[in-house]
Amino acid sequence: EAEVAQSPRYKITEKSQAVAFWCDPISGHATLYWYRQILGQGPELLVQFQDESVVDDSQLPKDRFSAERLKGVDSTLKIQPAELGDSAMYLCASSLRGPRNSPLHFGNGTRLTVT
Amino acid sequence: GENVEQHPSTLSVQEGDSAVIKCTYSDSASNYFPWYKQELGKGPQLIIDIRSNVGEKKDQRIAVTLNKTAKHFSLHITETQPEDSAVYFCAGETGRRALTFGSGTRLQVQP
Repeated sequence: EAEVAQSPRYKITEKSQAVAFWCDPISGHATLYWYRQILGQGPELLVQFQDESVVDDSQLPKDRFSAERLKGVDSTLKIQPAELGDSAMYLCASSLRGPRNSPLHFGNGTRLTVT
Repeated sequence: GENVEQHPSTLSVQEGDSAVIKCTYSDSASNYFPWYKQELGKGPQLIIDIRSNVGEKKDQRIAVTLNKTAKHFSLHITETQPEDSAVYFCAGETGRRALTFGSGTRLQVQP
């Protein structure tokens, strides 16, 4: 079964440093999401892409976070500078179309620790 | 926007018993309600979903019910097994917007 690939699996960085996460969705999936999951909580949407276009980035802290999906396939999420409060699991998900019409498939995430 | 509340936060049952997790949502326009299971160190995985034109859906030992009037939906797991132990998340979706997740329920099935 096809999977959403994420890397790195774990990342430890010092505050004020830059960090980047990569996601490769399931082939053919037009919609890609980045979620942040703080320990003990549910995932919270950061950004949603439809092909290469941003559909929703209303919850993305744009002063320090950026996301791109240049060719409508894989995606990168960047944080610069990282803060202690950014420590969390960053999950990427993809779906064939929107969530109502096709289920979300999640990757196993990148666990970020900011020291 | 949508707000989804989930309870209980933790649930412990004996193997073979049933488990019920409940969620409420705020946006009456929400029309799609999936449930996800998350095992330690992994991403959430869809286990069952229900749309607003359906009141109940079953898949083997798992069922979901939806009450649109009261704006709540529930996950029912019967004949629980140790491998059902995980964190379960409900979610709601409105229109083109992405899923809004509940805060999760940690289910522990005691053998």
